[in-house]
Amino acid sequence: DIQMTQSPSSLSASVGDRVTITCQASQDISNYLNWYQQKPGKAPKLLIYDASNLETGVPSRFSGSGSGTDFTFTISSLQPEDIATYYCQQYAFFGPGTKVDIK
Amino acid sequence: QLQLQESGPGLVKPSETLSLTCTVSGGSISSSSYYWGWIRQPPGKGLEWIGSIYYSGSTYYNPSLKSRVTISVDTSKNQFSLKLSSVTAADTAVYYCARHVWDTAMVPSVSYFDYWGQGTLVTVSS
Repeated sequence: DIQMTQSPSSLSASVGDRVTITCQASQDISNYLNWYQQKPGKAPKLLIYDASNLETGVPSRFSGSGSGTDFTFTISSLQPEDIATYYCQQYAFFGPGTKVDIK
Repeated sequence: QLQLQESGPGLVKPSETLSLTCTVSGGSISSSSYYWGWIRQPPGKGLEWIGSIYYSGSTYYNPSLKSRVTISVDTSKNQFSLKLSSVTAADTAVYYCARHVWDTAMVPSVSYFDYWGQGTLVTVSS
């Protein structure tokens, strides 16, 4: 099985800050890595698929990059509504999540 | 707009079988491009994929749950269902159904969940 590690597990940042989350696969998964946002009490929402493709309707401040085993998710300018837990996912398995808070 | 809705008992006794149904509206479950999946989330924890099914009945299960899971599909009702047997308190979770975009012909391959139900909390307790 391919293992996913995600870091950090949590972070605090100020409004307007650039936020970066990384996800690492235990073996080459090409560009087949996705990112989700989950707000408390809500279902996860797909933000980025296939490493860098923005899902329809998702704000452009969200972006993804990477291929092979190393992937990055970025929020270019953190907004209050971005407070959530973010998960990476490959095959059908999810990373452990990164909780993002406002400092 | 595609919508998914989970339904089923919110309380199940230990050792019994958890049964949930997902009703799909705004689109056909028989679409050739999609699988239909179940994902769960224990309180305060992360997401765990349970399994996915194609409209033909072809299934893939998480190896960690495979011995206890059965997923089935009813195309006439545009529904798919989950049964999890011999439940314990560790199976207490919010259960989500989702559309699974998945190319199972290749590894690695395209695989993501693009539409989700709102989730339903199932508590295992006597």
